[in-house]
Amino acid sequence: KAGVTQTPRYLIKTRGQQVTLSCSPISGHRSVSWYQQTPGQGLQFLFEYFSETQRNKGNFPGRFSGRQFSNSRSEMNVSTLELGDSALYLCASSWGETASYEQYFGPGTRLTVT
Amino acid sequence: LAKTTQPISMDSYEGQEVNITCSHNNIATNDYITWYQQFPSQGPRFIIQGYKTKVTNEVASLFIPADRKSSTLSLPRVSLSDTAVYYCLVGDMNTGFQKLVFGTGTRLLVSP
Repeated sequence: KAGVTQTPRYLIKTRGQQVTLSCSPISGHRSVSWYQQTPGQGLQFLFEYFSETQRNKGNFPGRFSGRQFSNSRSEMNVSTLELGDSALYLCASSWGETASYEQYFGPGTRLTVT
Repeated sequence: LAKTTQPISMDSYEGQEVNITCSHNNIATNDYITWYQQFPSQGPRFIIQGYKTKVTNEVASLFIPADRKSSTLSLPRVSLSDTAVYYCLVGDMNTGFQKLVFGTGTRLLVSP
């Protein structure tokens, strides 16, 4: 069974631009979560989607948004990029509705903002 | 969500058993304890999860005392490939949706 895939793997953008990252969960998984990882803040939860509905959101500004499609694929968007948005963005998928179900992480998208 | 405290780093040698302890003094009745492993430039990988006593799988054991205020991840006979960051997470696994709260983790370095 294929794992979680994220595209692109690497991205370089300039301040003020916007970016869209994509995540394809493991087949059959209905939940997709997004995390941001930086050396200073560690791994931080962004948001989580289940059956196309955002159920949980972390403490990030409104520039960070996401959505989930009917096939469970998810995208996250960051508008008006800032230097501090440089990070590894991780997507995780899970079959179940609660956190008791194991989450499977993708390899991440490394975003560099210059 | 219960806060967790782990050692920042640990060193070991190949073939040794490694025990990483995590403190979670304000763990709630419905909280489970989960450990993830992360290699550089990769997403975290689930290792083990437990509620109380001892849980064992093919890669690790998890020891949880009766008061559940701490837990210990045990890695038997580590190899160089076990060098990674290990995260202890505590949260309500029945109603807490999929939000995982990661702490700073423990950076384990295994040397030859």
